[in-house]
Amino acid sequence: EPEVTQTPSHQVTQMGQEVILRCVPISNHLYFYWYRQILGQKVEFLVSFYNNEISEKSEIFDDQFSVERPDGSNFTLKIRSTKLEDSAMYFCASVSGPFGQGTRLTVV
Amino acid sequence: ELKVEQNPLFLSMQEGKNYTIYCNYSTTSDRLYWYRQDPGKSLESLFVLLSNGAVKQEGRLMASLDTKARLSTLHITAAVHDLSATYFCAVDIAGTYKYIFGTGTRLKVLA
Repeated sequence: EPEVTQTPSHQVTQMGQEVILRCVPISNHLYFYWYRQILGQKVEFLVSFYNNEISEKSEIFDDQFSVERPDGSNFTLKIRSTKLEDSAMYFCASVSGPFGQGTRLTVV
Repeated sequence: ELKVEQNPLFLSMQEGKNYTIYCNYSTTSDRLYWYRQDPGKSLESLFVLLSNGAVKQEGRLMASLDTKARLSTLHITAAVHDLSATYFCAVDIAGTYKYIFGTGTRLKVLA
C-alpha cells in the first residue's frame, strides 16, 4: 500500500529558529494536507495544498507558516520563527489519507 | 463552523465487555472516518463510511453512519487489551477532503 513519508521523525529546536518539515506524499495525488496535534489533544487542520497553491488554511496557519512543493515530489512545511506553543506532532496527508508517520517538533 | 464531538472522552472497560463510542457532527457530510492512534504514533485508518446507513466491521470493531442524525458509532465487542488506544472520528468538508477531527476517545481495556 502506498505510504506518505515524513522526515525527520523528531526535531528539537530552539525558540526563534526556523524549521522545515518534509513530506513525500503518494505520487499522482494532487491534494496535500498538513495537520497538527498538540500532545494529548485532537488533530487540527493547518493547510491544504492543490496544484502548487494553498487552497485553504486555518486560523492556526499564520504568517510564521509556509508550505511549498519545491521539486514536484517533496512537500514542506516551514515555521519561520518557532514558539514554544509550536511543539506538537505534525502530520502530512494526501487526499482521503493515509497519514504520514508524523514529525514530533519540540521547541525549547 | 463544523464541530465534531465524541463521547465519552475517556473509557475504561474490562476485557470481554461491550461498549459504544459516539461521534456527533454539526453539518451535512456523507463521509466519516475512524482512526486509531497509539501513544506517540500516527493515525491508523480503521473505517471509511461513505453513505447513510453504512456499516463496516473488522474484528471486534464495528462502525456505522447515520447521516440524517449526523451520528456515527464505533462499537466494541468483547474488548481485549490490544484495543487500548485513542480513537478519533473525522468528517470531511464536502469537496475538499479536509478533515475535521473529533475530540478523541481514550480507551483503556483492563485485563
